[in-house]
Amino acid sequence: AQTVTQSQPEMSVQEAETVTLSCTYDTSENNYYLFWYKQPPSRQMILVIRQEAYKQQNATENRFSVNFQKAAKSFSLKISDSQLGDTAMYFCASPLYNNDMRFGAGTRLTVKP
Amino acid sequence: GAVVSQHPSRVICKSGTSVKIECRSLDFQATTMFWYRQFPKKSLMLMATSNEGSKATYEQGVEKDKFLINHASLTLSTLTVTSAHPEDSSFYICSAGASVNWGGQFFGPGTRLTVL
Repeated sequence: AQTVTQSQPEMSVQEAETVTLSCTYDTSENNYYLFWYKQPPSRQMILVIRQEAYKQQNATENRFSVNFQKAAKSFSLKISDSQLGDTAMYFCASPLYNNDMRFGAGTRLTVKP
Repeated sequence: GAVVSQHPSRVICKSGTSVKIECRSLDFQATTMFWYRQFPKKSLMLMATSNEGSKATYEQGVEKDKFLINHASLTLSTLTVTSAHPEDSSFYICSAGASVNWGGQFFGPGTRLTVL
């Protein structure tokens, strides 16, 4: 079965600093997708970044980037120049073949002023 | 990105009543929609996968007679919590599947259900 693991329940970072959230996964698929979602206090799930497994280049979206290590099945999220609005729960996720998304347990990130 | 709406955003009901939650894809057709339940400070737990025009597929441990799902059109799926009890109180989130080539889902804003 496909699983997603986030081993950091909580993290904090100073405003303007950089923080990295970890995620590992297990899959038997060769082609798949990986996602990071953000859930702020409003609880709306917001897509942060997406990675296609067959692409070697790490995805980037403005201040957000990933370190995708396919062989190690690792998919970490780096947030640069952290802002107060980045405070949220962050979920790593990957869909099964039918888009059935599997989520990690989440990491609660607090950005401190 | 695509927009998914969910209604109501918040509902309070008495024990024993039924509550219906609607999930709509506003600007795209969703052949597959998903229903999640989220407990406080926990991750999303998939309850069922809803396919337009066919029966929903429920995850193990989810009572299909308690949580009725109907996906009558390509833009609407409904979750009905029947004979609700306080333990059904939770945050329910729906999502709509994007194309297989994209692989992701678009999420609704969620519904907070409180059963008294």
